[in-house]
Amino acid sequence: QKEVEQDPGPLSVPEGAIVSLNCTYSNSAFQYFMWYRQYSRKGPELLMYTYSSGNKEDGRFTAQVDKSSKYISLFIRDSQPSDSATYLCAMSAISNQFYFGTGTSLTVIP
Amino acid sequence: EAGVAQSPRYKIIEKRQSVAFWCNPISGHATLYWYQQILGQGPKLLIQFQNNGVVDDSQLPKDRFSAERLKGVDSTLKIQPAKLEDSAVYLCASSPWDRGVEQYFGPGTRLTVT
Repeated sequence: QKEVEQDPGPLSVPEGAIVSLNCTYSNSAFQYFMWYRQYSRKGPELLMYTYSSGNKEDGRFTAQVDKSSKYISLFIRDSQPSDSATYLCAMSAISNQFYFGTGTSLTVIP
Repeated sequence: EAGVAQSPRYKIIEKRQSVAFWCNPISGHATLYWYQQILGQGPKLLIQFQNNGVVDDSQLPKDRFSAERLKGVDSTLKIQPAKLEDSAVYLCASSPWDRGVEQYFGPGTRLTVT
């Protein structure tokens, strides 16, 4: 079983839609949960991270962590064509070694 | 603030040849990471440095891969000899020593082994 599971998509939505991206994990030691955005032929860009359970909001982005279900989500409100990218979840315990998901490819259609 | 710099951006070599990648982290970042990202997969950590010391190299194929970080700043990753399965993007990232969750990535070096 992989440490982190992420549906690769692809996911295609119309502009203005609410997007939901999800990851599941198996290691209960994970405490930090990150979301990265990766444009084609670029390095991953840190969007936001949360510690332990709960929600965190940053502009149009909201991250949720449910440790009891080992399930994390990223919601994008009012999606824009510029949000078209691959979204990677990553997790770590105290050691700072990141375990990445495979990424979900998102296309927002104007 | 300048980001993480990497060079070259692209490299094509034949199998059994050697190759080296260079990384310059964000100024002041003590921790430096090298990741391998195979097409369609998430990045996988190869090696982590804290200043010029190795913190974690458990997933580095040490028979062919080596890395160093002289003077705790720039770093080089070398592959010798290369195999076909080494074709991937090699990403360098850095973070402040006390905020390891805030990893900032460079643009990567895309390696093709033929």
